[in-house]
Amino acid sequence: DAGVIQSPRHEVTEMGQEVTLRCKPISGHNSLFWYRQTMMRGLELLIYFNNNVPIDDSGMPEDRFSAKMPNASFSTLKIQPSEPRDSAVYFCASSFGRLQPEAFFGQGTRLTVV
Amino acid sequence: QQQVKQSPQSLIVQKGGISIINCAYENTAFDYFPWYQQFPGKGPALLIAIRPDVSEKKEGRFTISFNKSAKQFSLHIMDSQPGDSATYFCAAAKGGGADGLTFGKGTHLIIQP
Repeated sequence: DAGVIQSPRHEVTEMGQEVTLRCKPISGHNSLFWYRQTMMRGLELLIYFNNNVPIDDSGMPEDRFSAKMPNASFSTLKIQPSEPRDSAVYFCASSFGRLQPEAFFGQGTRLTVV
Repeated sequence: QQQVKQSPQSLIVQKGGISIINCAYENTAFDYFPWYQQFPGKGPALLIAIRPDVSEKKEGRFTISFNKSAKQFSLHIMDSQPGDSATYFCAAAKGGGADGLTFGKGTHLIIQP
């Protein structure tokens, strides 16, 4: 298995633009998580899905952030409009959930908003 | 409110020595405690994990010690090697690990040859 695949690896955008980050979880995993990593705040859970259904989005910082999981093999995290303080590395992770909770992370997307 | 506190922020250990990183948590509902290793430019990778019904778990050179009453757990890296130089994160989760991870702030570990 290729592991969790995220795209793009790097994204530079101007303030006010829409940004879409993509994630393909490990095949067979039924839980998917989005995290954000910054120097100041460390690794933070933004939202997670179980069987494609959003379970907890309390970590999403603002209404500008939204996430979807239209099927078991694809998820998106969208920021609209983007702001410089959104600059961070965004990670997607997946797992088998409660029975086998080991979460595997993707390589991340480094987002820079200028 | 920082639910998982990790220390130290940085640590320098000589090759062959023991590296020790400590974490404390507040939420007694946490029931899954993993440690992750992260190299620059990479995503975190799971090292070892423990549940509160066990006081210690060992995998190779890595050992987790868990103290439920004190709400503390630690990672010991025996015979530390330069290749172990990385950032280490402790984490905690509810729901047997299904509910997403709350991470500590990380420890930057340097193993000197």
